[in-house]
Amino acid sequence: DTGVSQNPRHKITKRGQNVTFRCDPISEHNRLYWYRQTLGQGPEFLTYFQNEAQLEKSRLLSDRFSAERPKGSFSTLEIQRTEQGDSAMYLCASSLASQTRADTQYFGPGTRLTVL
Amino acid sequence: AQKITQTQPGMFVQEKEAVTLDCTYDTSDQSYGLFWYKQPSSGEMIFLIYQGSYDEQNATEGRYSLNFQKARKSANLVISASQLGDSAMYFCAMRERSGGSYIPTFGRGTSLIVHP
Repeated sequence: DTGVSQNPRHKITKRGQNVTFRCDPISEHNRLYWYRQTLGQGPEFLTYFQNEAQLEKSRLLSDRFSAERPKGSFSTLEIQRTEQGDSAMYLCASSLASQTRADTQYFGPGTRLTVL
Repeated sequence: AQKITQTQPGMFVQEKEAVTLDCTYDTSDQSYGLFWYKQPSSGEMIFLIYQGSYDEQNATEGRYSLNFQKARKSANLVISASQLGDSAMYFCAMRERSGGSYIPTFGRGTSLIVHP
């Protein structure tokens, strides 16, 4: 399978615990995005990387959230001291940025987080 | 103000008929991109079609076409010959420049149900 993969697919945790999600993009894609999606809403942008550089972070991304893409390949999203309001689907997408292409993003299946 | 507005929370269509899903957007940029994604109940976001702001012709991809009216800032998705498998959530999204980066924004989505 050469699409975007995310692990784990589901995560249940207790309030106050830390969680980490992983995203493996399509291999030749240089951009990687993280989104959060709650029920009845569209995806909300959190952050994105071009290669290993984190270029943009949403104001939604509080200090408890951190993302890395250490070698410009896979990425991790960590949430520290989880809160019930963090319960959501976390989506990862990747794209190939160039001057002539649409920078179309291809999404992974998501990680569903439930904070008890 | 909403950057992407999808005014139809739900739409119903008879199998084999055409349906139009509305999307209006708000931007002051001259260079931007518009996308439509499909999200079935399985949760994965599937790219359908892209329209660049400088594209003079409406984009088409198989049964999908994008009715782009730049002056009205609308980018409606037309699905021809609806199939039962088209039942899903549909999201309109815009990619616009923010500083040196491109930030994507999604609408709240339209739920499409195709009746046999």
